[in-house]
Amino acid sequence: SQTIHQWPATLVQPVGSPLSLECTVEGTSNPNLYWYRQAAGRGLQLLFYSVGIGQISSEVPQNLSASRPQDRQFILSSKKLLLSDSGFYLCAWSRQGYGGGSGELFFGEGSRLTVL
Amino acid sequence: GESVGLHLPTLSVQEGDNSIINCAYSNSASDYFIWYKQESGKGPQFIIDIRSNMDKRQGQRVTVLLNKTVKHLSLQIAATQPGDSAVYFCAESSFSGGYNKLIFGAGTRLAVHP
Repeated sequence: SQTIHQWPATLVQPVGSPLSLECTVEGTSNPNLYWYRQAAGRGLQLLFYSVGIGQISSEVPQNLSASRPQDRQFILSSKKLLLSDSGFYLCAWSRQGYGGGSGELFFGEGSRLTVL
Repeated sequence: GESVGLHLPTLSVQEGDNSIINCAYSNSASDYFIWYKQESGKGPQFIIDIRSNMDKRQGQRVTVLLNKTVKHLSLQIAATQPGDSAVYFCAESSFSGGYNKLIFGAGTRLAVHP
């Protein structure tokens, strides 16, 4: 079975400090990978997606960047955090194409980032 | 632009009653519509999906209805239980640019009272 892990689960960082959130997927190969952000009480905003190693697409301009150094590893980074970067960050994966299904995303448990 | 939204931000129901969560969408080109459940502090979990050429799909205690004429999607939960308390998101799915593009609605909070 497939599993997705992301860490750390909780992070409190000062403004201007760097950020690194990691996500790994197990039990599948060549997945599509995604980073979403969820503000408190709000919906999910797609930040980045990746269809392969080294291939990153950004959905919104922002202070964050993403990298995919390995097939099943997705990293969200920032060189200098802003207060507005606070939120709940979710990593997700999906199969390539629809594969006969809805193309559903499978989410990790999330990383809560508080920037002070 | 594309948007998926919800009619009601919160819904309170009594345990044992049926719940109906509604969602409106604007992009008729989506291939699928999906419902997710998100419990506090956790990632969203897939509940059920429906293909765009269908009107109704049933799962265990859940039914999704799709009305393409008025671009409306609903999730019905039968015999609602306390464990159903969560935020529910609808999402429309399309395959674009090599990836599965999901557009999520704002979410509806379901509160189940004993």
